[in-house]
Amino acid sequence: GAVVSQHPSRVICKSGTSVKIECRSLDFQATTMFWYRQFPKQSLMLMATSNEGSKATYEQGVEKDKFLINHASLTLSTLTVTSAHPEDSSFYICSARNSGLDYNEQFFGPGTRLTVL
Amino acid sequence: GQNIDQPTEMTATEGAIVQINCTYQTSGFNGLFWYQQHAGEAPTFLSYNVLDGLEEKGRFSSFLSRSKGYSYLLLKELQMKDSASYLCAPMDSNYQLIWGAGTKLIIKP
Repeated sequence: GAVVSQHPSRVICKSGTSVKIECRSLDFQATTMFWYRQFPKQSLMLMATSNEGSKATYEQGVEKDKFLINHASLTLSTLTVTSAHPEDSSFYICSARNSGLDYNEQFFGPGTRLTVL
Repeated sequence: GQNIDQPTEMTATEGAIVQINCTYQTSGFNGLFWYQQHAGEAPTFLSYNVLDGLEEKGRFSSFLSRSKGYSYLLLKELQMKDSASYLCAPMDSNYQLIWGAGTKLIIKP
């Protein structure tokens, strides 16, 4: 099956620092990847859609200068949380759409739990 | 607007059957996914329906009625490990998944 990895799985950082999260599709090509954020007991919230070789599309209310997304290859997208603050503490999950499938299933990475002190 | 409606929480007994209902409204429709999410983990794929009817996959089955904007997930022979949140996620005309808060399923012995 299709596997998506995320790194790191857990990160604790000080307020004001930047954190980079990697999302990789291990055995398929993904022209489109998605970045979600999930607060406890709440639904997944789409932050942005990442398209290989072009700029990401951000959802309303998501600051593109704060959450930098780079999708430089068909198997890697990165999310950088710049100048992180405690309110950015959340569970960040990426997913990747398998370009080779007839339907548009999204395969999820295991998530990254970010804690900003 | 786009909307998902699922029960917030359900409780069932080990070995029994439970049906989780979902009604939705989306801008366009390109199928509906069901995902399982254990606490603190990412969602995992359970099923995909694009045509009306029932799709069976082992202990899990999923039903879709496009005209009614309705789907259900049926779980048979419940096991304790089935305790999780179940997310109904239709895909809109832009091929984006629309997420609700999901249904937390509690399995009791």
